[in-house]
Amino acid sequence: EPEVTQTPSHQVTQMGQEVILRCVPISNHLYFYWYRQILGQKVEFLVSFYNNEISEKSEIFDDQFSVERPDGSNFTLKIRSTKLEDSAMYFCASSVWFRGSTEAFFGQGTRLTVV
Amino acid sequence: DAKTTQPNSMESNEEEPVHLPCNHSTISGTDYIHWYRQLPSQGPEYVIHGLTSNVNNRMASLAIAEDRKSSTLILHRATLRDAAVYYCILRSRAQKLVFGQGTRLTINP
Repeated sequence: EPEVTQTPSHQVTQMGQEVILRCVPISNHLYFYWYRQILGQKVEFLVSFYNNEISEKSEIFDDQFSVERPDGSNFTLKIRSTKLEDSAMYFCASSVWFRGSTEAFFGQGTRLTVV
Repeated sequence: DAKTTQPNSMESNEEEPVHLPCNHSTISGTDYIHWYRQLPSQGPEYVIHGLTSNVNNRMASLAIAEDRKSSTLILHRATLRDAAVYYCILRSRAQKLVFGQGTRLTINP
């Protein structure tokens, strides 16, 4: 069964450092998303991406965040200068289409720890 | 984003059916009702979705009220592996899924 793959599973970084979280969405999917979940809290939407551009972003997704689809398979989330409060699980997801009838498939997540 | 209301937690016994309720009184005509679940230390997982008619798949059944203001996710025979947080989400043309707090389901052996 096709799945969304995320690497690394766990990343520890020092405050102020740049991190790149990587995702390989399901191959025929067109819409890509990043979500985050701070420990003990709900899953929060960060950004959606279609046709090589951001289609929607949340207030959390400020100038410190960027997304990119550098090739035909990878989808990355970059945090330029990490803060302690960026520590969270980051989930990548993909959908074939954006309509309400379409399900999203999530990866297993990257646990980011900022120290 | 249209809102949903779910109980914070529910408990059931293994091999018994589980009915997880969701209220969505402000649902619009184009909103699909989606259910996802999140097992401990894992990413959200799609369970089922529907628009107006009841739906069945290998994981669960979805019963939708005639006025669409509420729905119920039915796990026919719960196993310990079904212990998770279950999210009821309305999705229309908006691309994102908006997660609430969900219902934490505990399954007793």
